[in-house]
Amino acid sequence: TQLLEQSPQFLSIQEGENLTVYCNSSSVFSSLQWYRQEPGEGPVLLVTVVTGGEVKKLKRLTFQFGDARKDSSLHITAAQPGDTGLYLCAGEFYGGSQGNLIFGKGTKLSVKP
Amino acid sequence: NAGVTQTPKFRILKIGQSMTLQCTQDMNHNYMYWYRQDPGMGLKLIYYSVGAGITDKGEVPNGYNVSRSTTEDFPLRLELAAPSQTSVYFCASSQAGMGYGYTFGSGTRLTVV
Repeated sequence: TQLLEQSPQFLSIQEGENLTVYCNSSSVFSSLQWYRQEPGEGPVLLVTVVTGGEVKKLKRLTFQFGDARKDSSLHITAAQPGDTGLYLCAGEFYGGSQGNLIFGKGTKLSVKP
Repeated sequence: NAGVTQTPKFRILKIGQSMTLQCTQDMNHNYMYWYRQDPGMGLKLIYYSVGAGITDKGEVPNGYNVSRSTTEDFPLRLELAAPSQTSVYFCASSQAGMGYGYTFGSGTRLTVV
């Protein structure tokens, strides 16, 4: 059974601070996705990474895929209250059913003004 | 674009009752999924479908049934509701193939009392 470990589980910071959240597995991902979920809503896709070492940027968010494709990180620069939410990583694994994502438990981020 | 539409938004069931959670998508996606989300537990896959007429069990299928008669619709049936089925249910869809992100509905919050 593939597992995705996300850390930290909770993070509370002040507006303007930087932060990094992590997603790790003992198995190799064929692709990995990051989602953000706000209260009362479904997760919304932020980014998909497929190549080891890949870095993608989305405004103040930087996503990195590990060289060995077993881990990923999400870095937010100068966090704003609008960044508050649950950040989920989700991976597809080699040998798994195509299109089926395994989700981590998420990092709950609170950015205080 | 409506995307993925789930109904109802909220529902309270008594133990032993049955109900159907509706899900429809207008993006012509072949793949559709049902997840449940419990606090601190992440998203767990209940059932998925790779096309009309094809369904398969996910990680937590017991107590649920699905059907996929059209590309657009993927209803989830709960028979003999139990308190353990109290959760938030999300339907999602995606294009076929590796690396495509999911589009989620806004969820159904179900309470079984």
